[in-house]
Amino acid sequence: AQKITQTQPGMFVQEKEAVTLDCTYDTSDPSYGLFWYKQPSSGEMIFLIYQGSYDQQNATEGRYSLNFQKARKSANLVISASQLGDSAMYFCAIPSTGGTSYGKLTFGQGTILTVHP
Amino acid sequence: GAGVSQSPSNKVTEKGKDVELRCDPISGHTALYWYRQSLGQGLEFLIYFQGNSAPDKSGLPSDRFSAERTGGSVSTLTIQRTQQEDSAVYLCASSWIAGPNYEQYFGPGTRLTVT
Repeated sequence: AQKITQTQPGMFVQEKEAVTLDCTYDTSDPSYGLFWYKQPSSGEMIFLIYQGSYDQQNATEGRYSLNFQKARKSANLVISASQLGDSAMYFCAIPSTGGTSYGKLTFGQGTILTVHP
Repeated sequence: GAGVSQSPSNKVTEKGKDVELRCDPISGHTALYWYRQSLGQGLEFLIYFQGNSAPDKSGLPSDRFSAERTGGSVSTLTIQRTQQEDSAVYLCASSWIAGPNYEQYFGPGTRLTVT
């Protein structure tokens, strides 16, 4: 079974500063991926970034980057130059890689990020 | 192009009634997933379809829950004899194909309230 842990229920950051949201995972799959999603107050889940376990480099997408430490089983999301619109709930998720549950996402508990002006 | 759409956006129903929730995936996406989000349980997987086939129904909470997908497109999640614990936001997602490397695109969700 796979497990995702997000230990920060809430985080605060000043506008224009960087913030790191923590995610640790547990999986027995030798090859896996990790996703981060953003959920604003409107409720829709927005895909942010993906990291494959065998990717040579940490994933980056604009202001989003992953601090992927495979040995520690952590995939922390770094948001640079925070904006007020970044205020939302953030979820880390790991997909199932086999069996009948192919692709099914297991989510962490989420972290609420609040960006202050 | 159009994203994933879900209807209704909000549904209030009385305990014991049946409800149908609809999901329209992104055109061309062959995989479709249903999840449920509630305060107590977080985000839970319910069921997924590859085409019209549902290989994994393990997440359905009880036999009151069922889902179907027709024409490899629209999916309907049906909850019979609703209970108060069914109150949650039901999220649908689609991806090009089922697999661990393909991002899932989510709809806006249906907020179900059982009174």
